[in-house]
Amino acid sequence: GENVEQHPSTLSVQEGDSAVIKCTYSDSASNYFPWYKQELGKRPQLIIDIRSNVGEKKDQRIAVTLNKTAKHFSLHITETQPEDSAVYFCAASKTGTASKLTFGTGTRLQVTL
Amino acid sequence: KAGVTQTPRYLIKTRGQQVTLSCSPISGHRSVSWYQQTPGQGLQFLFEYFSETQRNKGNFPGRFSGRQFSNSRSEMNVSTLELGDSALYLCASSEMADYGYTFGSGTRLTVV
Repeated sequence: GENVEQHPSTLSVQEGDSAVIKCTYSDSASNYFPWYKQELGKRPQLIIDIRSNVGEKKDQRIAVTLNKTAKHFSLHITETQPEDSAVYFCAASKTGTASKLTFGTGTRLQVTL
Repeated sequence: KAGVTQTPRYLIKTRGQQVTLSCSPISGHRSVSWYQQTPGQGLQFLFEYFSETQRNKGNFPGRFSGRQFSNSRSEMNVSTLELGDSALYLCASSEMADYGYTFGSGTRLTVV
């Protein structure tokens, strides 16, 4: 089955700096890659997703890039703010089983003042 | 639109008992999936229902089962509870059934 690895497990950045979280996947048939943000005690929230027919997608301060050849995708957050502090999860799935998301182990992002 | 609603929010059960968790998806969403979240294993897929049919299943024992009703509401049942079943159980729904899953706030189950 699919295996998703996520790095780093913790990341501390200063407010205003950029943060990058990387994930690799094993199943070359995977074609849907969402990112979720989970604040302490709250539900995971979808912040951005990308499908394998595009290489990059951007939404304000958040961007995701996908390298199908290398089977890795990354989340980029620019101009970080304290409210960006949370655990971020990457996930992968494939058409027909998109509900069966395989999640990475999460990255705890801490944005310090 | 109301979000994904899960009830109850918290539950304490004794080993050997069974439990039923409920999930009401966003109106119009026909796909409902369930995940287990634990500190050790992270987020793991349990199963997914679409139009009352189980379409996908994760690698969990048969003690974990679910169903979906004609109004898309879903229930998850765990029989013969074990201590290791203590977790946050999350439900997610999607309109398109192929992407864009929205999670509920979860049911925190504690087995003692």
